[in-house]
Amino acid sequence: ILNVEQSPQSLHVQEGDSTNFTCSFPSSNFYALHWYRWETAKSPEALFVMTLNGDEKKKGRISATLNTKEGYSYLYIKGSQPEDSATYLCAYSGNTPLVFGKGTRLSVIA
Amino acid sequence: EPEVTQTPSHQVTQMGQEVILRCVPISNHLYFYWYRQILGQKVEFLVSFYNNEISEKSEIFDDQFSVERPDGSNFTLKIRSTKLEDSAMYFCASSATRWQGTTGELFFGEGSRLTVL
Repeated sequence: ILNVEQSPQSLHVQEGDSTNFTCSFPSSNFYALHWYRWETAKSPEALFVMTLNGDEKKKGRISATLNTKEGYSYLYIKGSQPEDSATYLCAYSGNTPLVFGKGTRLSVIA
Repeated sequence: EPEVTQTPSHQVTQMGQEVILRCVPISNHLYFYWYRQILGQKVEFLVSFYNNEISEKSEIFDDQFSVERPDGSNFTLKIRSTKLEDSAMYFCASSATRWQGTTGELFFGEGSRLTVL
C-alpha cells in the first residue's frame, strides 16, 4: 500500500511568521510529487509539480524542495499572510495515479 | 481562466438509489479523473479515463461505479445503488498530460458532496 504522510496535521501561525511542513512518500518508482493548495469551499489548486531529486521550485512567498532518494518534500511559506490559510496537500505519483496525503491545515492569524 | 465544473454541488439520496455526478473538464484536456474524500480522511483515487476508456481504477471503484463521457464534453460518475459509506465529497479532475510528467498537474472541480441516508 502506497503511503503519503504529511506533518503536521494542522498549524496555527501569526501573520508574518515563516513556516514549513513536510510530505513523506515512497522513494521507489518515483515519477512526480505534486503540491496543491485547497481553500475551504473551493477546488484544490496546483502549486508545484516536481520530478527531479534536489529540485526547488518557488512561487511568490511559497517554495518547495524535493528529495526523492529519502522520500520527502518540504513546503515553505515566507512571511505568512491570512490569505495563505488553507489545507496544503501533497500527492505522490509513481507508476500509479496520484496518491494524496491527508494535508496540513494552515491557519494564519492576523 | 478555464475551469472544471461539477454538478450538483450537493446531493442527498436514499440508500439503494442511483446517483449520477456530472463534470465538465477543461476542453483541451485528455485525461479525466474522479477522486473522493470521506470526511476526515485522505483524498482517494477512484478512476482515470483516457481515450474513451478507463485507464486505471482503484479497489474502491467496484461494479457499483461506472464512468462515461457521453458527448465529448461531460464526464459522469454513476453509482448504481448507493450505500451509506459512499457519502463523501467527489472531485472531478482533468489534466493535459498523464500525471507522471511535469505538466501532469490536475485541475480540480469544486466537488459534489454526496450524502446517503
